Amino acid sequence: AQKITQTQPGMFVQEKEAVTLDCTYDTSDQSYGLFWYKQPSSGEMIFLIYQGSYDEQNATEGRYSLNFQKARKSANLVISASQLGDSAMYFCAMREPRKGAGSYQLTFGKGTKLSVIP
Amino acid sequence: GAGVSQSPSNKVTEKGKDVELRCDPISGHTALYWYRQSLGQGLEFLIYFQGNSAPDKSGLPSDRFSAERTGGSVSTLTIQRTQQEDSAVYLCASSRGGWEFSNQPQHFGDGTRLSIL
Repeated sequence: AQKITQTQPGMFVQEKEAVTLDCTYDTSDQSYGLFWYKQPSSGEMIFLIYQGSYDEQNATEGRYSLNFQKARKSANLVISASQLGDSAMYFCAMREPRKGAGSYQLTFGKGTKLSVIP
Repeated sequence: GAGVSQSPSNKVTEKGKDVELRCDPISGHTALYWYRQSLGQGLEFLIYFQGNSAPDKSGLPSDRFSAERTGGSVSTLTIQRTQQEDSAVYLCASSRGGWEFSNQPQHFGDGTRLSIL
């Protein structure tokens, strides 16, 4: 089973509208973290927002917010007031503790390509 | 510079040759990760270094892949006897290490685009 599932290969949104990018995850750990990254066509990975499993409030960073529904194991990214520069690939990733290994690598979804239409 | 630096940015080589990819992490970051991104795919974890601890090599796809990190800073990923399926973008990331910093984001370099002819 996939650890991170992003069911929307591609999304379109009108400029200035809000858009929600879906992410569901699978873990048996109680302590984990969820990250969203943006990857423009230039290729760099840009960190957007983080949600910890014990955080009681949904994370927000400027126009980005995370709709975290722990019982449903979903961590959807909401982008408000879309801009043309938001056109990019968006990746959801999960950090789980790796017992014994002490490493915190991220497991990534396959991404959603967002296109903002003028 | 302030960010993660990777070199070369592009590498084209013939099948069967060895390649070395370099990563210079952000100063002060003790954790370093290598990922691979094939065309149109998400990132695949390869290897992790944290301080002086033994690396987590669980993501390396074959014994043709190896990596080292000298002096707790610069890392080199080596692919021996390259195959066409090794063609991908290889991304390096660094972060502050340890569980207390596990909520901190990993900062990525711009990657090395590797093409095997």
